[in-house]
Amino acid sequence: AQKVTQAQTEISVVEKEDVTLDCVYETRDTTYYLFWYKQPPSGELVFLIRRNSFDEQNEISGRYSWNFQKSTSSFNFTITASQVVDSAVYFCALSEEGSGTYKYIFGTGTRLKVLA
Amino acid sequence: SAVISQKPSRDICQRGTSLTIQCQVDSQVTMMFWYRQQPGQSLTLIATANQGSEATYESGFVIDKFPISRPNLTFSTLTVSNMSPEDSSIYLCSVEVAEAYEQYFGPGTRLTVT
Repeated sequence: AQKVTQAQTEISVVEKEDVTLDCVYETRDTTYYLFWYKQPPSGELVFLIRRNSFDEQNEISGRYSWNFQKSTSSFNFTITASQVVDSAVYFCALSEEGSGTYKYIFGTGTRLKVLA
Repeated sequence: SAVISQKPSRDICQRGTSLTIQCQVDSQVTMMFWYRQQPGQSLTLIATANQGSEATYESGFVIDKFPISRPNLTFSTLTVSNMSPEDSSIYLCSVEVAEAYEQYFGPGTRLTVT
């Protein structure tokens, strides 16, 4: 069965530190999609990235980077030189093409606190 | 991407009443989803709403409690019926961007039931 695990419930870092948020997934599909969303205190979910199962290339966007490793079923998210505005809950999600419904399975989220 | 609005943004309701939440998208989309996020929790999918067909509900959610309408490709409503304090949550709608497998979320409706 499909599952997304975010083992880190809460992380606190001091501003300018690097931080990595872990995401481990389970799926039987060969074609699937992984996502990261940010939910700031305002509550709105902000799309950050989508990664296809057949594309293991890592991606960097400014201070954000993502490391996708199929061998360990992980899709980790690193914030470099963290800032107070990065404080939010971050969700990892999985969607399986085989489901035909585009449903997301969300992890439980990691609350990141960046201290000034 | 898509711009999604929800009404109301928040409400406080009495036990036993019903609330209808509206979700409006700025472009035509095939698939819309309704989620519930209980305080401090992750998102749980309530149902998938496709235009022109009955909504598909996830395990633990029933149409009598959460009736959904999807009259066209840009609009949907979710009703939370016969509310109890356990229904206090954030309710979010999302849309799937065609061929991108990406979902974009509305700002959410924060519901408190007293």
